[in-house]
Amino acid sequence: DSGVTQTPKHLITATGQRVTLRCSPRSGDLSVYWYQQSLDQGLQFLIHYYNGEERAKGNILERFSAQQFPDLHSELNLSSLELGDSALYFCASSVDRSEGKQYFGPGTRLTVT
Amino acid sequence: AQKVTQAQTEISVVEKEDVTLDCVYETRDTTYYLFWYKQPPSGELVFLIRRNSFDEQNEISGRYSWNFQKSTSSFNFTITASQVVDSAVYFCALRISGGGADGLTFGKGTHLIIQP
Repeated sequence: DSGVTQTPKHLITATGQRVTLRCSPRSGDLSVYWYQQSLDQGLQFLIHYYNGEERAKGNILERFSAQQFPDLHSELNLSSLELGDSALYFCASSVDRSEGKQYFGPGTRLTVT
Repeated sequence: AQKVTQAQTEISVVEKEDVTLDCVYETRDTTYYLFWYKQPPSGELVFLIRRNSFDEQNEISGRYSWNFQKSTSSFNFTITASQVVDSAVYFCALRISGGGADGLTFGKGTHLIIQP
């Protein structure tokens, strides 16, 4: 158990819908990262938040957005969902903003039908 | 841009054999970190090791060992006396230090199958 929690574990929704994925980092960790794992793209970095502020963006679509709240939990919002958004979404946390080991949550499996 | 190549898509060995997973990386940065993660069938990503670019010492942890060679930009992972529980997908990853896109850049992964 990494100490990172993600909810829900599974999510099934229809094309065009909007969903919110939630992540709680390990106690004391200030950084939260979001990653997408799909069969065709592999594991891709989406976005990084540090202590409530956006730090860096990776391959995140404009239909996706994220935020980190004062209690340090983070939410990833996915809108206008397409079939290709079906994937496993991981969040990871680390204690600092650049050098720390990233500990991954169990992931949220999103299926868009 | 950074890149990680894991040329072995799938490896199958019989239990108790030694197996090496290859990882080659590309970066122009002089300060960076290399990682290995394990993804068992249950799906979670388990951290195995982090190595920074200034530390080329090889590391051993039980049956696991890692060989970091900057001259060949490789960070290979060896499992000695493999066990069925080692069956998983293993990912090598790279992260540069400092600003910019600072998430992990992952390889495509190597699916390791240990047969009893």
